[in-house]
Amino acid sequence: DAGITQSPRYKITETGRQVTLMCHQTWSHSYMFWYRQDLGHGLRLIYYSAAADITDKGEVPDGYVVSRSKTENFPLTLESATRSQTSVYFCASMNSLSTGELFFGEGSRLTVL
Amino acid sequence: AQSVAQPEDQVNVAEGNPLTVKCTYSVSGNPYLFWYVQYPNRGLQFLLKYITGDNLVKGSYGFEAEFNKSQTSFHLKKPSALVSDSALYFCAVRVSSSNTGKLIFGQGTTLQVKP
Repeated sequence: DAGITQSPRYKITETGRQVTLMCHQTWSHSYMFWYRQDLGHGLRLIYYSAAADITDKGEVPDGYVVSRSKTENFPLTLESATRSQTSVYFCASMNSLSTGELFFGEGSRLTVL
Repeated sequence: AQSVAQPEDQVNVAEGNPLTVKCTYSVSGNPYLFWYVQYPNRGLQFLLKYITGDNLVKGSYGFEAEFNKSQTSFHLKKPSALVSDSALYFCAVRVSSSNTGKLIFGQGTTLQVKP
């Protein structure tokens, strides 16, 4: 039961570089989400997806790009990393709107120097 | 706009004593309410949820929460705290009619249980 996995777990990069955080789930859940966690802000939604090829912006989408060509994968790309994007990133999935709970990955800790 | 407030950054309780972690919410419509727990360097784990029905909801690890519509609250409770309950707790909400499933999270409350 692999569930939802994120990679890499830890990443250090430099300002201006492109970074992709991977998210893979084995449940075939329709809905997937990317959140970032910062001290004092809790979790804030970056992007979400209701199904393959359907994505939409969340609360803090600027500087991020997502794609969802397959149901099980939902990568998050920082096209040109900035220091303000230093954070812990969580991917989550949800089976259906009626059940409602999200299942989270273990997180990817990104440091932008 | 939807919002969640967790008024306490930290709650301290002695082992064996009851604990309460507070949560209030604001939504336009009927809420779906959730509690999650996060241990250091781990992802969030689902504890319990209120969708409809009985206002008292029981969840994992002996936790429960009471939905109070008039006070727009969903406080997390446990009758007898354990040291192992020490963690970061998040309350979350979404509108039941939402077609996106997006959850709005509170800022989190650190629970410290002392032996």
